[in-house]
Formats: sequence, C-alpha cells, structure tokens
Amino acid sequence: AQSVTQLGSHVSVSEGALVLLRCNYSSSVPPYLFWYVQYPNQGLQLLLKYTSAATLVKGINGFEAEFKKSETSFHLTKPSAHMSDAAEYFCAVSDRGGNQFYFGTGTSLTVIP
Amino acid sequence: DAGVIQSPRHEVTEMGQEVTLRCKPISGHNSLFWYRQTMMRGLELLIYFNNNVPIDDSGMPEDRFSAKMPNASFSTLKIQPSEPRDSAVYFCASRSGDRGYQETQYFGPGTRLLVL
Repeated sequence: AQSVTQLGSHVSVSEGALVLLRCNYSSSVPPYLFWYVQYPNQGLQLLLKYTSAATLVKGINGFEAEFKKSETSFHLTKPSAHMSDAAEYFCAVSDRGGNQFYFGTGTSLTVIP
Repeated sequence: DAGVIQSPRHEVTEMGQEVTLRCKPISGHNSLFWYRQTMMRGLELLIYFNNNVPIDDSGMPEDRFSAKMPNASFSTLKIQPSEPRDSAVYFCASRSGDRGYQETQYFGPGTRLLVL
C-alpha cells in the first residue's frame, strides 16, 4: 500500500531564505509523486510532479523537488522564499497501477518579513 | 476553460437537512474525485469516478453520503441527513485519463459546509 509522510506540519522561514518542505513515501516500486499548493480559501493546484523522467523536477513559482529513490524522498525546495509563498503544501503519491492516490497531511508555510 | 466549477461555494444548514453539492469537471476529463478537508483529518478522498462509473467509494464515511455522476459533465455529492460533524470543505477534482495516475488533478474552489 502507498503512503506519504510530510515531516513538520508547520514551517516558518524568513523572506529570502531557503524553503525546504519534506516528503517521504513508502512504496515497493517508485510511484508517481506530486506537490500541490493551497492558498487560503482556494482549492489545490499543482506545483510539480515526478513521473519517472528526470529526478530533479522544476515546477511553478521557482519551486523544485528531487526524487531520491535511496531515501524514498521527494522534498520540495525553493532557494529564496517570497511572502506570496505562504500557503499549505501537500505531497501526494499514486501508484503505477492507477488505483491508489493519497495526499499527505500538509505543511503550512509561513514567511516572515 | 473555466476550470472545475463547484456550487454552492458556501452552505449553512441545520442538522437533519439534506445537502447537495454539485460539480462540473473540466470538459474532456474522464475522472472525477470528491474530497473532504477538515482540520482534524486533513484531505480525505471520498469517492472517485472513471468514465462516470464509481471506481472506489471506500472513503465515503457512511450511508448518509452518496455520490452520482449521471453524465460526463456533472456530479453530485449528497448528505442525507446532515450532521454537525459533516462540517468541512468539500472539493471536487477532475483529471484526464489519458495516462492514468500520472496525470494532474485539477481542483475546484471547494464548498464550505457548515451544519448547525
């Protein structure tokens, strides 16, 4: 069975500092992995996804994530945080059979001016 | 495209009343998902449809919840009777089925439900 764990339900960074949001998955085979962002009072929107092409995936708004099979991780990073990055971030995983899709519990990012 | 459309955006009702939430997926998408989001339980998948057929409803909390997709452009999630613990934000999402689960899900803005 698939599952995804997001370490840290709340992360605070200063404006201009590195953003690192952690996601680990459990799966016997490499799954498809996604990062979604949710701004207040809105639905989720895709930041980026890994579907077995390049292990370093670039997304919107300067975010990127690296798939590391040895660590079963898919951490999200951004070199320099902006105030507009304050939001809830969800890691998600799906299997390659097409019948399982799970979201993590989310990480709330606060950006301090 | 207008994206996934949900209505109503906000619903306040009294315990015991029937609640119907509506969703119009993106045209051409053949998979549709209903999620519930609460502070306590996070984002939960309730049910998903593929080509209008319910594939997995294991997330539906109990018999008070039902979902239908009579055609490719419309789905409903009904709660009857509603209870205060059903208060949550309900999201609908749709996805193209061309390449299965590697496809992106597109979310609607959600319906914020409050049951008094």
